[in-house]
Amino acid sequence: NAGVTQTPKFQVLKTGQSMTLQCAQDMNHEYMSWYRQDPGMGLRLIHYSVGAGITDQGEVPNGYNVSRSTTEDFPLRLLSAAPSQTSVYFCASTTGAKRAFFGQGTRLTVV
Amino acid sequence: ILNVEQSPQSLHVQEGDSTNFTCSFPSSNFYALHWYRWETAKSPEALFVMTLNGDEKKKGRISATLNTKEGYSYLYIKGSQPEDSATYLCASPNAGNMLTFGGGTRLMVKP
Repeated sequence: NAGVTQTPKFQVLKTGQSMTLQCAQDMNHEYMSWYRQDPGMGLRLIHYSVGAGITDQGEVPNGYNVSRSTTEDFPLRLLSAAPSQTSVYFCASTTGAKRAFFGQGTRLTVV
Repeated sequence: ILNVEQSPQSLHVQEGDSTNFTCSFPSSNFYALHWYRWETAKSPEALFVMTLNGDEKKKGRISATLNTKEGYSYLYIKGSQPEDSATYLCASPNAGNMLTFGGGTRLMVKP
């Protein structure tokens, strides 16, 4: 049982480059989300989805796009990377009010 | 976005000490309260999910209580060990299952 698979684990981008962080879950969870973790700030919600075809903004959505074409996949796109987007990113999935399962994290550095 | 707060931000204890930390959350429109353990370089893992006022959960030396009327939860660790060193996160979902995390309590247990 793979759970939540998130790739890549590490990435270095130049300012202005774009990239996609991949997230896939095999638990048939309706709810998926992306968080970023910065020192002293816990986990902040970027975007979330309550089901295929439905996405919404979280607390810090600017500079990021998401789509949810299938229940399994929820990619996060950085349109034009900025140094302020240097962070550790986590994808999570859950169902109902139950526990969230997290991907392994992506450490992104924008230079 | 719910207002979920944790205190203290960090905590240093000696091996064998017992300790506790606090999570506060809005008491209105409450659905659930989650606790996660987050070790460095790993993904957060769920410890407890509590939904009812007065809930108490226990896993080994770690336990948690919930007071939904006043909007707080305590996490207790009895006889702390160095392997308990981690960041402990609490989170609360809204009606749409959007999880809002507190800033975390970073626990360091000295041998």
